[in-house]
Amino acid sequence: KAGVTQTPRYLIKTRGQQVTLSCSPISGHRSVSWYQQTPGQGLQFLFEYFSETQRNKGNFPGRFSGRQFSNSRSEMNVSTLELGDSALYLCASIPGTATYNEQFFGPGTRLTVL
Amino acid sequence: GENVEQHPSTLSVQEGDSAVIKCTYSDSASNYFPWYKQELGKGPQLIIDIRSNVGEKKDQRIAVTLNKTAKHFSLHITETQPEDSAVYFCAASDDYKLSFGAGTTVTVRA
Repeated sequence: KAGVTQTPRYLIKTRGQQVTLSCSPISGHRSVSWYQQTPGQGLQFLFEYFSETQRNKGNFPGRFSGRQFSNSRSEMNVSTLELGDSALYLCASIPGTATYNEQFFGPGTRLTVL
Repeated sequence: GENVEQHPSTLSVQEGDSAVIKCTYSDSASNYFPWYKQELGKGPQLIIDIRSNVGEKKDQRIAVTLNKTAKHFSLHITETQPEDSAVYFCAASDDYKLSFGAGTTVTVRA
């Protein structure tokens, strides 16, 4: 069974640009969560999608947005990049068939903002 | 919101010894407590989890305990091996949002 796929794995952008990251969950999983990981703030929840609907959202500015497609693939977008957005962005795949589910993480996308 | 504290931040053990990592949480509504292992350059890997209706769970050399009254849970690794060296994260949740501890860097000395 294939795991969680995130593309690209590495990305370098400059301040003010925007970026789109992609996540393909495990086949059959219906929910996807996104997290930001930095040395200073640790792992922080961004948002969670189920059946193309955002169900939960963390405390991040509106520059951070996401969406989910009918095949469960998800994208997150960060507009007007700031230096502080440099981080490892992790996608987690969730079965979505029960109330509380294990979350399986992908390898992440390393974003560097210059 | 949920606040998860994790101790210690670093842990060095001799190969074959046990390692214990402790976490506390603040939100009594949290009912799912997973533990993740993260190796360099990789995403967090779920190694074990426990739900609030269970006090203890074991999987080979790894065990977790949960004390709902005290709002704390612990990870126990017995007979540590060099491949156990990694960063370990605890987390708590009452829905699909995981609140993570700050992580524990475990080093197993040969």
